Amino acid sequence: GAVVSQHPSWVICKSGTSVKIECRSLDFQATTMFWYRQFPKQSLMLMATSNEGSKATYEQGVEKDKFLINHASLTLSTLTVTSAHPEDSSFYICSVDSGDSRREQFFGPGTRLTVL
Amino acid sequence: GESVGLHLPTLSVQEGDNSIINCAYSNSASDYFIWYKQESGKGPQFIIDIRSNMDKRQGQRVTVLLNKTVKHLSLQIAATQPGDSAVYFCAENNNFNKFYFGSGTKLNVKP
Repeated sequence: GAVVSQHPSWVICKSGTSVKIECRSLDFQATTMFWYRQFPKQSLMLMATSNEGSKATYEQGVEKDKFLINHASLTLSTLTVTSAHPEDSSFYICSVDSGDSRREQFFGPGTRLTVL
Repeated sequence: GESVGLHLPTLSVQEGDNSIINCAYSNSASDYFIWYKQESGKGPQFIIDIRSNMDKRQGQRVTVLLNKTVKHLSLQIAATQPGDSAVYFCAENNNFNKFYFGSGTKLNVKP
């Protein structure tokens, strides 16, 4: 399967600042990536689908102006949490879609965001 | 998205015993399911999958059962080991490339 990395693995920021999280597909060209958010002791919640060369599609209830997604190449998608607040503190995980009928997803290791 | 999974339970088992983890899903159109294992602070790890044209699939020490009538999945782990301790999630897919995750079950394996 695809090897997926995320950077940074953890980040602490002040309230009101913006934070960018990178998701890289190291050995696979990914037309589609996904971003999830996971609060402590809860499940993964799909936030948005990142599409290479086009706009991301967001799940219901996810603010697209707050969570900016850019998928400018087949190996990189970025999630920017704008004007972060403590309630945005969470574990953010990306995944890469296999792009074929198998519908496999390969997950990154996650990024822990703490907003003070 | 779809509603998948039960309220998060915790399952404690003795090393060497078999474990059974359950999951309910709500979208009858879902036709593909995956069980994931997540260790603390890490991303989900694929365990086993099953398509809706099957009701059972076996892997190494793991078996997934699918009951479409009651929209229920289970994951059976044989001879549970301490390394199996983690949170387990089921995820469903309905012919698009999005997956929706259940609430998860924490598995504690006692040595």
